[in-house]
Amino acid sequence: DGGITQSPKYLFRKEGQNVTLSCEQNLNHDAMYWYRQDPGQGLRLIYYSQIVNDFQKGDIAEGYSVSREKKESFPLTVTSAQKNPTAFYLCASAEGVGQPQHFGDGTRLSIL
Amino acid sequence: ELKVEQNPLFLSMQEGKNYTIYCNYSTTSDRLYWYRQDPGKSLESLFVLLSNGAVKQEGRLMASLDTKARLSTLHITAAVHDLSATYFCYTGTASKLTFGTGTRLQVTL
Repeated sequence: DGGITQSPKYLFRKEGQNVTLSCEQNLNHDAMYWYRQDPGQGLRLIYYSQIVNDFQKGDIAEGYSVSREKKESFPLTVTSAQKNPTAFYLCASAEGVGQPQHFGDGTRLSIL
Repeated sequence: ELKVEQNPLFLSMQEGKNYTIYCNYSTTSDRLYWYRQDPGKSLESLFVLLSNGAVKQEGRLMASLDTKARLSTLHITAAVHDLSATYFCYTGTASKLTFGTGTRLQVTL
């Protein structure tokens, strides 16, 4: 079955540590996205990628980094510069930018 | 900057009742999507609206788009408990899309 897989489902970060969230899709989609959702809030765009080896900052990119070395994969690193990383992180993909997005099941990140 | 507002933010309604959720946006948009999110879960696509006057229906939900008024509505007919979730609209143009604030719907017996 085609879809988007995020891992891990739960992740804990120690202070000063970088952590990487995985996002893999087998839908052959060109565009991929990362969103952050805080409790009771909407989604805010962190980064997006229209094509392999290219990505753009979203509205809240500070403290995060991404790479897009393969079409199927768009990992997100939460760096130690992100002082308030506790949130639910959602990855999505679409055939192209502006097209309907398909979402993964999310990763819940907490601070130890 | 595109601003997308939904109202109400929270809606408690009885089973069997009808209600409408509104999504207003501030600048030109050529597409609008509705998503559903169950607590602690991911987002599920409900409707894709691509033109002025577009209307889509699925079960007890019906979505419409008025691009001139910069307004989309999500109408719930004869609500059932299974519809309890948070509903988001998502709109803009190909280069920039923005999520609405979300409407948390609670259907009570």
